[in-house]
Amino acid sequence: GAVVSQHPSWVICKSGTSVKIECRSLDFQATTMFWYRQFPKQSLMLMATSNEGSKATYEQGVEKDKFLINHASLTLSTLTVTSAHPEDSSFYICSARTDPSYNEQFFGPGTRLTVL
Amino acid sequence: GNSVTQMEGPVTLSEEAFLTINCTYTATGYPSLFWYVQYPGEGLQLLLKATKADDKGSNKGFEATYRKETTSFHLEKGSVQVSDSAVYFCALSDPNSGTYKYIFGTGTRLKVLA
Repeated sequence: GAVVSQHPSWVICKSGTSVKIECRSLDFQATTMFWYRQFPKQSLMLMATSNEGSKATYEQGVEKDKFLINHASLTLSTLTVTSAHPEDSSFYICSARTDPSYNEQFFGPGTRLTVL
Repeated sequence: GNSVTQMEGPVTLSEEAFLTINCTYTATGYPSLFWYVQYPGEGLQLLLKATKADDKGSNKGFEATYRKETTSFHLEKGSVQVSDSAVYFCALSDPNSGTYKYIFGTGTRLKVLA
């Protein structure tokens, strides 16, 4: 149980295009989902927290107009990188949590984005 | 604010050696503590967790004990295998913070040689 999937697992795009990454909780309802970014050989940096049906809360320094997060249902959250540039190339990982009283997060396998 | 400090890596060990990866934390309230493992090109997998002081988490031969007096959650394994080569992350989640966000350590890369 508690499986989180991400799609795609990797994507290559041209500079200036937008890319959408999906995060799904397969066997549970996720009231909260988190999006992280990880640079090579570094730790995970939390980008934003999203609760179903409400606007995402972005961490300081994360451009909300560049990284659009939508959490339209209890099993799906999407991250759209708008007008991507090479510096946006990174490994993006989502996680999901069930109800607020259970603070463990379940992680997706990650999406590697390469912007040419 | 809350923080997690992990020992610097990389750690290189021979197969069957004893492993310790140190993790200390600073937190308000009573955090839950986690160890995650990340294999190359993959996401994070929960290795073990502890939710209160003196709890011992264990899984696949790995153990860690929640020590409130020393604010530590050191990861140990008695005999490592080549397949344990990965990056290990210590993390905390403070249920009293209202956000349940994780604070991660920097990660420790482990390489086990045959």
